[in-house]
Amino acid sequence: KQEVTQIPAALSVPEGENLVLNCSFTDSAIYNLQWFRQDPGKGLTSLLLIQSSQREQTSGRLNASLDKSSGRSTLYIAASQPGDSATYLCAVNSGGGADGLTFGKGTHLIIQP
Amino acid sequence: NAGVTQTPKFRVLKTGQSMTLLCAQDMNHEYMYWYRQDPGMGLRLIHYSVGEGTTAKGEVPDGYNVSRLKKQNFLLGLESAAPSQTSVYFCASSYVSGNTEAFFGQGTRLTVV
Repeated sequence: KQEVTQIPAALSVPEGENLVLNCSFTDSAIYNLQWFRQDPGKGLTSLLLIQSSQREQTSGRLNASLDKSSGRSTLYIAASQPGDSATYLCAVNSGGGADGLTFGKGTHLIIQP
Repeated sequence: NAGVTQTPKFRVLKTGQSMTLLCAQDMNHEYMYWYRQDPGMGLRLIHYSVGEGTTAKGEVPDGYNVSRLKKQNFLLGLESAAPSQTSVYFCASSYVSGNTEAFFGQGTRLTVV
């Protein structure tokens, strides 16, 4: 059974810092990995999707990497801003008979002004 | 540009009552999913559908039923609500599970008293 772990569970940093969020998964046979952002009381907003054949994806100040063989992904946020404060979720798609995503429990990020 | 829309957004039920949550997507997606999100547990897959007229069980299907009579709609039913079903429910959809990103609705916050 696929398991996804996100470290740290919570992180608080001053505005302007670069930071890294970590995601690990136990079964390397994945189709893709997706990073989401969730604001309090809101739904999930997709940030980046990395296919299993890709090593990284970039969108603005966000860069996500994937090392499938070691079961790891990182989300790099450059020049953090207070508006980046949210919970960040990592999810893997392992495919097979039971479709859908397996989620980590998230990293709660606070950017201090 | 509605995307994935969930109805209702909030609901309070008494134990034993029934209700149906509606998910509608306007992206012509084949795959649709229902997840629940609980503190400390992350998001878990309840049921999913790979096309009109099909449904399948996910990780936590007990106490729920689903139907996909039309491609754009995926209904989640609670026949006899229990306090353990207090949660935030999210619907998602995607073109093809293995290759494309999933899009999520804004969630339904359900409280069973």
